[in-house]
Parts: sequence; structure tokens; C-alpha cells
Amino acid sequence: AQSVTQLDSQVPVFEEAPVELRCNYSSSVSVYLFWYVQYPNQGLQLLLKYLSGSTLVESINGFEAEFNKSQTSFHLRKPSVHISDTAEYFCAVSDHKDSSYKLIFGSGTRLLVRP
Amino acid sequence: NAGVTQTPKFQVLKTGQSMTLQCAQDMNHEYMSWYRQDPGMGLRLIHYSVGAGITDQGEVPNGYNVSRSTTEDFPLRLLSAAPSQTSVYFCASSYSIAGDTQYFGPGTRLTVL
Repeated sequence: AQSVTQLDSQVPVFEEAPVELRCNYSSSVSVYLFWYVQYPNQGLQLLLKYLSGSTLVESINGFEAEFNKSQTSFHLRKPSVHISDTAEYFCAVSDHKDSSYKLIFGSGTRLLVRP
Repeated sequence: NAGVTQTPKFQVLKTGQSMTLQCAQDMNHEYMSWYRQDPGMGLRLIHYSVGAGITDQGEVPNGYNVSRSTTEDFPLRLLSAAPSQTSVYFCASSYSIAGDTQYFGPGTRLTVL
């Protein structure tokens, strides 16, 4: 069964510093990969996703993630964070061949940006 | 479009009570699902539906029932609430296309005493 590991439960960082949130998944079969963000007291919203093609995907607010098949990783990065990036970030995976379209989520990483 | 709506936002139940969490979407999405979110555990899939009249179990279905009589609505029923069901519940929807973005509702915070 698929599983997603986010090793860091919380990542504190100063404003304008770079950040990397790590995500590893278990399956070696074809997968779709997602990063969702949850701002305080809100639901989740999609940040970016990898379906196929270029292994580097970007979001509109400066985040990027790189699909690494050999390391089964999909780490999220941003070169310079802002206070408004404070949120919880969830990595998720979906199996190409699973007709139920189920998303398997990691346990989340809380990004805390300090001034 | 309102997107995905959930009611109520907050609910407190006593052990053994029953209730229904409501979820509706106006995007004509075929796929709908219910997750629960607990600290340190991310989101876990409770039940899902790939279209009206079709439902199936997810990772943690025990203690919950669902039905899907229309494309728009996907209610989640707790038949006999237990303290272990204290959680935040999210409903989500998407087109039934693998890899499609799932759109989440604002959540229902449930406490079972």
C-alpha cells in the first residue's frame, strides 16, 4: 500500500530565508504527486502537482517541487519565504492505476516563518 | 460558484448520539470524499464516491456511513458517536480523472464528550 513520509513535523525559518520541506513516498509504480497547503482554520488548497513531463513544477507564489523517481521524493522548496507562507503543508500521492482516485496524505509539516 | 460547502462548522456531541455532517458541491464533480484530520496524522480517507449511487470505503470507515443520491450532496453519518471520532472532518470533490485537483470544504470540527 502507498504511504507518504514527511519527516519534519515543524520547520521554523526566518523571513526571506530559503526553505525545503521534505516528502518521500513508498511506491515505485507510476504516481501523481501533490502538495496541498492549509492556512489556519481553513481547508486544504492545491499548491502544485506533478502528473507527467518536466520533473520540476512550480506554483504561482514562488514554491517549486522536483519529482525524483530514483529517490521516490517530491521535496518542496522556496528560495525566500514570507510571513504569509506560515501554514501547514501536506504532501500527497495518487496511484495512476487506482480507479478510486484516492489521495494518500503525509502527516504534514508546519512551516513557521518568523520576522 | 460556492465550491464545496460543509455544515455545521462546529458540533459537540455526547457519546452515543448520532448526527449527519453535510457536504455539497456545485461544480458538477463526480468524485467526492470524506477525510478526517487528526494532529500528527495528516488526512485519512473515510469514504468516497465516484458518482451518484456509488460509494466505497476508505482507510478508516468504521463508525461512519455515507450515501450519494445526487451528484451535489455527499452526507456523512455518525450512527453512535464515540470520543475517538473527535476530529476535524473535510469533504472534498473533483472530476473523476486521475490526477485531478481535489477541492476541499472549510471543515467541520467535531467534539464527542
